[in-house]
Amino acid sequence: EAGVAQSPRYKIIEKRQSVAFWCNPISGHATLYWYQQILGQGPKLLIQFQNNGVVDDSQLPKDRFSAERLKGVDSTLKIQPAKLEDSAVYLCASRLRSFRGDGTYEQYFGPGTRLTVT
Amino acid sequence: SQQGEEDPQALSIQEGENATMNCSYKTSINNLQWYRQNSGRGLVHLILIRSNEREKHSGRLRVTLDTSKKSSSLLITASRAADTASYFCAGRGGYQKVTFGTGTKLQVIP
Repeated sequence: EAGVAQSPRYKIIEKRQSVAFWCNPISGHATLYWYQQILGQGPKLLIQFQNNGVVDDSQLPKDRFSAERLKGVDSTLKIQPAKLEDSAVYLCASRLRSFRGDGTYEQYFGPGTRLTVT
Repeated sequence: SQQGEEDPQALSIQEGENATMNCSYKTSINNLQWYRQNSGRGLVHLILIRSNEREKHSGRLRVTLDTSKKSSSLLITASRAADTASYFCAGRGGYQKVTFGTGTKLQVIP
C-alpha cells in the first residue's frame, strides 16, 4: 500500500515570498491533516479536512496560511507571505475513519516538507 | 498549544535496558496515542490506549493510562539501538482533534 506522499521534500525561500506544499493521502482515507513541526517541538495541527470540508482550522494563521482539498483527495497548503518563524517541517497525515467514528484508526504521516525561510 | 508534556525531555540508556517515558495532558481525551519519530521513517504510530483502558501491551511496548491524573507512560523493554528516536504522546479529544506533546528524545547506546 502506498503511503502518504508529499512534495517538495525541501524548500528554501526568502521571507515575504510565497510557497506551496502538496500532499496526496493514502487512497480511501477521508480525513487529512496538516501539521507544523518546529525543531525540537511536537507537531502542531494546522488544519483538518473531512473529505473536502474543513473540520478544524483553529490554529491556522489565516492571514498568511491557506489550505484546500479539492475533490476530497489531494491537498495543498500555501504560505503567503512567509515569515522567518514559519521555518519548520510541514507534515501531512491521513486517516481512514470519518471523524464521527470511534476514533480508533491511526494517522499515517508523510515524510514532510522541510521549509527554511531566510 | 501543546496538549501533552513528556518527561523526561531526553533519555540515554544502554542497549538491553528498559526505557520509561511519561506524558501528562491537560484536557479530557477519548484516547491517547504514542508515536515514534526518527529521521529514517518519519512519524509512526506505535500504540493507542482508550480512555476506559488502564494498560495495553504491544510487543516490547507497554502503555499505561491514568485518567484521574491525566497521565500516561510508555515502557520499552529490552531496548535496541534501533529504538533511538523521539517519542510523542498525542491525545485525541473532541471532534477527533489530536494534540501532540513536546516529545522525549531517547538514545539507546549499543
